[in-house]
Amino acid sequence: GENVEQHPSTLSVQEGDSAVIKCTYSDSASNYFPWYKQELGKRPQLIIDIRSNVGEKKDQRIAVTLNKTAKHFSLHITETQPEDSAVYFCAASRGGGSNYKLTFGKGTLLTVNP
Amino acid sequence: SQTIHQWPATLVQPVGSPLSLECTVEGTSNPNLYWYRQAAGRGLQLLFYSVGIGQISSEVPQNLSASRPQDRQFILSSKKLLLSDSGFYLCACRRVLRGSGGDTQYFGPGTRLTVL
Repeated sequence: GENVEQHPSTLSVQEGDSAVIKCTYSDSASNYFPWYKQELGKRPQLIIDIRSNVGEKKDQRIAVTLNKTAKHFSLHITETQPEDSAVYFCAASRGGGSNYKLTFGKGTLLTVNP
Repeated sequence: SQTIHQWPATLVQPVGSPLSLECTVEGTSNPNLYWYRQAAGRGLQLLFYSVGIGQISSEVPQNLSASRPQDRQFILSSKKLLLSDSGFYLCACRRVLRGSGGDTQYFGPGTRLTVL
């Protein structure tokens, strides 16, 4: 089955700096890669996703890049703010089909220091 | 749009007691539904998923079970809770993304279970 590795497990940055979280996946058939943000005590929320037919997607201060050849994808947060502090999870799936499942990375605790 | 409800929001149970957590979904029909557990400070562990009424797939062997008695209802149960069953239980629903040609998962608000 699919295996997703996520690094780093913790990341601390100063407000205004950029943050990068990286994930690798094992199943070359995976074609959908979402990122979730989970604030303390809350549910994970989808913040951005990318499909294998594109290499980059951006939404204001967050962007995701995908390298299918190397089987890795990354989340980039620019101009970080204290409210960006949370646990971020990457995930991968083959997409579609009745047995659709996401395989999650173990998460990255991002702390943005004022 | 879809709304996922989970009940109860928090629960404190003694070791050896039974468990029943409920997840209901509005705004969709015949959804794929998922149960995840998240231990304190840890990642998301997929426990069960269901593609339809009465259809349950188990991902991890344990003392939990799941049932889907109705199209939009997913229940997580245990006959005897263990200390290790403590955690944050999340129900998720598959949702088709319009415009992007695919689908993703959205999570319910969760149930925080403490086993003492």
